[in-house]
Amino acid sequence: SQQGEEDPQALSIQEGENATMNCSYKTSINNLQWYRQNSGRGLVHLILIRSNEREKHSGRLRVTLDTSKKSSSLLITASRAADTASYFCATTRNTGGFKTIFGAGTRLFVKA
Amino acid sequence: NAGVTQTPKFQVLKTGQSMTLQCAQDMNHEYMSWYRQDPGMGLRLIHYSVGAGITDQGEVPNGYNVSRSTTEDFPLRLLSAAPSQTSVYFCASRDRGVDGYTFGSGTRLTVV
Repeated sequence: SQQGEEDPQALSIQEGENATMNCSYKTSINNLQWYRQNSGRGLVHLILIRSNEREKHSGRLRVTLDTSKKSSSLLITASRAADTASYFCATTRNTGGFKTIFGAGTRLFVKA
Repeated sequence: NAGVTQTPKFQVLKTGQSMTLQCAQDMNHEYMSWYRQDPGMGLRLIHYSVGAGITDQGEVPNGYNVSRSTTEDFPLRLLSAAPSQTSVYFCASRDRGVDGYTFGSGTRLTVV
């Protein structure tokens, strides 16, 4: 079964609004990553947060991590139509060979 | 251009045929992984490698073999194709200590 589960499965917002996506996972992790996938393309790494970090920023992205609840959130501020994509969280455990497991993703649609 | 190169981009196989999906990276990355993505789904880990000569199973390894004889190449072999293996296959690599994976553009495989 997949380690990360995103919520919601789909999200539709207006340009300029903020988009929040959540990810829950099951086991202890070394780090959690967020990726974007435009339709039919490969994934692009957005940001990584380590297990000893609680919040991280990169441009319009803000990621939080709550290891006690085994959850993370990705906030995209002032969204743009170009942000329309699927967003995936992925977790890497520090046992079992450092394999990285992905969730099912959130499909974000930003209306212009 | 530096990155992860996957070939072929498209392939149609008949049930029972075998084939090898190629993956090459020119970034001297230690870690490489193969994922499959079914329509509307996240990525599932097939096999991964933490260095030349070292491979391990992921979430869905059955029906697939891998080898890692060089740092650059990580081919994925389908032993006897089945319709359930119809999917988009992504290869990804990262270096030790580097935040996220770099993904190839994918191979779209159809098994009839």
